[in-house]
Order: sequence, then structure tokens, then C-alpha cells
Amino acid sequence: AQKITQTQPGMFVQEKEAVTLDCTYDTSDQSYGLFWYKQPSSGEMIFLIYQGSYDEQNATEGRYSLNFQKARKSANLVISASQLGDSAMYFCAMREALRGKLIFGQGTELSVKP
Amino acid sequence: DAGVIQSPRHEVTEMGQEVTLRCKPISGHNSLFWYRQTMMRGLELLIYFNNNVPIDDSGMPEDRFSAKMPNASFSTLKIQPSEPRDSAVYFCASRPGQYEAFFGQGTRLTVV
Repeated sequence: AQKITQTQPGMFVQEKEAVTLDCTYDTSDQSYGLFWYKQPSSGEMIFLIYQGSYDEQNATEGRYSLNFQKARKSANLVISASQLGDSAMYFCAMREALRGKLIFGQGTELSVKP
Repeated sequence: DAGVIQSPRHEVTEMGQEVTLRCKPISGHNSLFWYRQTMMRGLELLIYFNNNVPIDDSGMPEDRFSAKMPNASFSTLKIQPSEPRDSAVYFCASRPGQYEAFFGQGTRLTVV
């Protein structure tokens, strides 16, 4: 069965520093997609970045990058130059290729300190 | 586009009552997901539809929960009878193809 694991319930980072949020996954599929979402205290779910399993290069979107290590089944999110507005819950998610099921990890709460 | 629209935004009901949550997906999106979020269990996938057809309902907690998608622009999640442990935020999300899913604002359900 597919599974997403985020082992860091909470993280702290100093403003302007970089931070890495961990995500490991388990799947027997060869083709799948990996996503990161942000959930601020207001509650909405905001899509950040996507990585396909066949993409050879790590995905980047502005200050967000996804460190994709396929052999290790990890898809860590790197946020560069943290801002106070980055304080939120961050969820890693995986989509199975065949039927499109989308499952989420438990989330990591990031706090950015001024 | 208005995005995924969920109603109501908040619902308070008494134990034993029927609750119906509603979702209007983004036009043209062919997949629709229902999730439940709690502190203890995180974001759980309850059920999802492709082209209005339920594909996987293995996450539905028990027979008290049911979901329908009568057409491409509307879905409901019903709880009958409701129980206090059903209190949670329920999200609906829709997706075009295989890329990112777009979430509604959620419905905060409180069962007293």
C-alpha cells in the first residue's frame, strides 16, 4: 500500500535562513507524482510544487525546491530565505499513476522566527 | 474561476442528526476528492471520483458516511446519523488530469 511519512511534527527556522522539510514515501508504482502543499493558520490548502517520478531534474518554484531522491524514496522540500509568512503546516502528498489516488502525510508545522 | 466551492463553511449539529456537505468543483476538472482533517489523524482521504464515478471509497469510516456525485458540477458528503467523533474539517478538492488538486475552503463540522 502507498504511504507518505513526514517525521518532523514541528520545525523552527530563523528568518532568511533555508530549511528542509522531510518526506519519504512508499509505493510499488513506477509512475507517480509528488506534491507539497502549504496550509496557513487560515486553513486553506495551497499548492506549492510538483515532481513527477520520471522527471530527472528537481522541481523548483521560486524559493521552493524539491530534493527528489528516487532510490531513497524521498522528496524533501527546501525553502530558501525563509520569511515570516512561511510559518504554516506543510504537507507532502503522493498521487498513484493508475487510478490517481492522492494521499497526504501527517504534515510538518514550520515556525519562522524573526 | 471561483475555485472549488464548499458549503456550508461551518456546521454545528446535534448528535444523531443528518449532515450534508456540498461541493462544486472547478469546471472541467474530472477528479474530485473528499478529505477529513483532524489533529489526531491528519488529512485522510475519504473517497474520490473520476468522471463522476466513485473509484476508491476505502477511506470512508463506516456506513454512516456516504458520498455522491450526480453530475460533473456537484458532489455531496452525507453523515447519517452524526456523532461527536465526526467533528472535523472536511475538504473537497478537484483536479484536471494528473497534476495538482485544488482545494475548497473546507467545512468545519461540529457535532455536539
